[in-house]
Amino acid sequence: AQSVTQPDIHITVSEGASLELRCNYSYGATPYLFWYVQSPGQGLQLLLKYFSGDTLVQGIKGFEAEFKRSQSSFNLRKPSVHWSDAAEYFCAVAPYNNNDMRFGAGTRLTVKP
Amino acid sequence: GAGVSQTPSNKVTEKGKYVELRCDPISGHTALYWYRQSLGQGPEFLIYFQGTGAADDSGLPNDRFFAVRPEGSVSTLKIQRTERGDSAVYLCASSLTGQPSTDTQYFGPGTRLTVL
Repeated sequence: AQSVTQPDIHITVSEGASLELRCNYSYGATPYLFWYVQSPGQGLQLLLKYFSGDTLVQGIKGFEAEFKRSQSSFNLRKPSVHWSDAAEYFCAVAPYNNNDMRFGAGTRLTVKP
Repeated sequence: GAGVSQTPSNKVTEKGKYVELRCDPISGHTALYWYRQSLGQGPEFLIYFQGTGAADDSGLPNDRFFAVRPEGSVSTLKIQRTERGDSAVYLCASSLTGQPSTDTQYFGPGTRLTVL
């Protein structure tokens, strides 16, 4: 069965600094990969997704993620973090052409002024 | 337009009681999903509807949990004989066609269920 690991429970970065959130997955084939953001009182919002093709995926709010098959990773990056990016971030995986999406435990991002 | 809505936003019940949680998907979305999010965890898939039928209910933890979508729009998640371990935020999502390669799931704000 597929699974997702987000090794960092909590990350703190300074506003304007770069950000990388780690995600590793376990699955026999290339799955569909997602990053979601959850702000307090808000529903989960999709940042970006990877299905096939170019391994560098651009998303909303200036985020990008890179699929690395050899490392079974799909890390999320942003070159310059804004205070409004403080939230919980979830990586998710789904089997090819399947809606059974599995989420990681999440990484909570704190942004220092 | 309106997003996915869920009612109630909070529900407190006693152990052993029956509860119903409602989800109103985005109008026109044929696919509807239920997830459960426990404290400090990511959402856990429960069930997926395509139209009126449950296309995948493999995530329902046991037979105390049941969900319906009788007219292919609103869905109700029903939990019988609630247990303290059922306490969580229950999330609903909908998507236009249910095709994972092209669809995006839009999530509601969730219902926080507390079982005393």
